[in-house]
Amino acid sequence: EADIYQTPRYLVIGTGKKITLECSQTMGHDKMYWYQQDPGMELHLIHYSYGVNSTEKGDLSSESTVSRIRTEHFPLTLESARPSHTSQYLCASSDDQGGTEAFFGQGTRLTVV
Amino acid sequence: QKEVEQDPGPLSVPEGAIVSLNCTYSNSAFQYFMWYRQYSRKGPELLMYTYSSGNKEDGRFTAQVDKSSKYISLFIRDSQPSDSATYLCAMRKGGGSYIPTFGRGTSLIVHP
Repeated sequence: EADIYQTPRYLVIGTGKKITLECSQTMGHDKMYWYQQDPGMELHLIHYSYGVNSTEKGDLSSESTVSRIRTEHFPLTLESARPSHTSQYLCASSDDQGGTEAFFGQGTRLTVV
Repeated sequence: QKEVEQDPGPLSVPEGAIVSLNCTYSNSAFQYFMWYRQYSRKGPELLMYTYSSGNKEDGRFTAQVDKSSKYISLFIRDSQPSDSATYLCAMRKGGGSYIPTFGRGTSLIVHP
């Protein structure tokens, strides 16, 4: 079964550290997204990509960066983590075949201490 | 005003009840309407997907879209404790726009 994977599921890290959240999908979807979600709050789009070498910032300002070198891989990097980055990060993918809607990974819960 | 409004709840119902979850929206350009279910500490799972107005049924779940009123609903029949989760509505435009706009989500609790 096709799927979308995020690692790690949970991460506790100290302030100032550089971190990379991994996201991979096996569905061959060309579109991928990163959302940030705080408890009980909306999903906020922070980055998206419509294909290899294509990345755009979303609605929510973020100090993170992304890359899309391969179709299946869309990692998110924080150069210097801060406590304000504590949140859940959700990766999703979709394509434009028959209106396929976004499929989400299980999320990475990040805590910066 | 947010583009998509959804009451966060919580909505608490007894097992077996019919549940009605709703969203309103302001952007008439939205054409695709989705409902996601999200369990605690998990990613959202796509439940239903509807294009334009009308009804769609899948087992115990029925999605309704009324574009004239800018109102969408999700009905759950014979609700079960396992249905306890947060339900998020989402919608997007067509014509090459693929990014969905999400509601805040409604927390549903089905008690035995």
